[in-house]
Amino acid sequence: NAGVTQTPKFQVLKTGQSMTLQCAQDMNHNSMYWYRQDPGMGLRLIYYSASEGTTDKGEVPNGYNVSRLNKREFSLRLESAAPSQTSVYFCASTQAGSLYGYTFGSGTRLTVV
Amino acid sequence: GQQLNQSPQSMFIQEGEDVSMNCTSSSIFNTWLWYKQDPGEGPVLLIALYKAGELTSNGRLTAQFGITRKDSFLNISASIPSDVGIYFCAGLNYGGSQGNLIFGKGTKLSVKP
Repeated sequence: NAGVTQTPKFQVLKTGQSMTLQCAQDMNHNSMYWYRQDPGMGLRLIYYSASEGTTDKGEVPNGYNVSRLNKREFSLRLESAAPSQTSVYFCASTQAGSLYGYTFGSGTRLTVV
Repeated sequence: GQQLNQSPQSMFIQEGEDVSMNCTSSSIFNTWLWYKQDPGEGPVLLIALYKAGELTSNGRLTAQFGITRKDSFLNISASIPSDVGIYFCAGLNYGGSQGNLIFGKGTKLSVKP
């Protein structure tokens, strides 16, 4: 099925460990986004990539880095995980100028202990 | 930055009841979107509204784009157990090179059979 694929679905890290969350879309969308979702906080934008080759900070970028590997793939890296980064992470994509909002992946549930 | 106030934060209703939730903003949007998030999944688009005053239905769901362009509401009629989830409003403005979809914090809906 066409859409946004995120891996892994679940991950447990120890404080200080690093990891990369992967995201790929097969809809030929230009723009891709990483959000985190915490109880009562809604969806907060971490980083986005308006087009291949560009990335920009969102609302909560500290502690994260991103790479837009190509048009399909946009990864999120935690260099030194902290308990405050325990969250559910969503990747989304859209075609620039689209009237239909974003298509979301099914999320990665990350726990940092 | 722009913020959306979504209410109520949560609702616990009996099956068959009607549901109403709304979003307000201090600034205007060109488009209002309503998403639903099922447990363990990413948000999925329910309804998109493009014109001030527009009233749009999707099955038992009805949403309206406020005349001032600063608010929107979503109604669900005759709720059923599968309506359970978190509903997000989102405001979208065109143009620019950045991600410009602003989310409310969500309304968590629980339905008693």
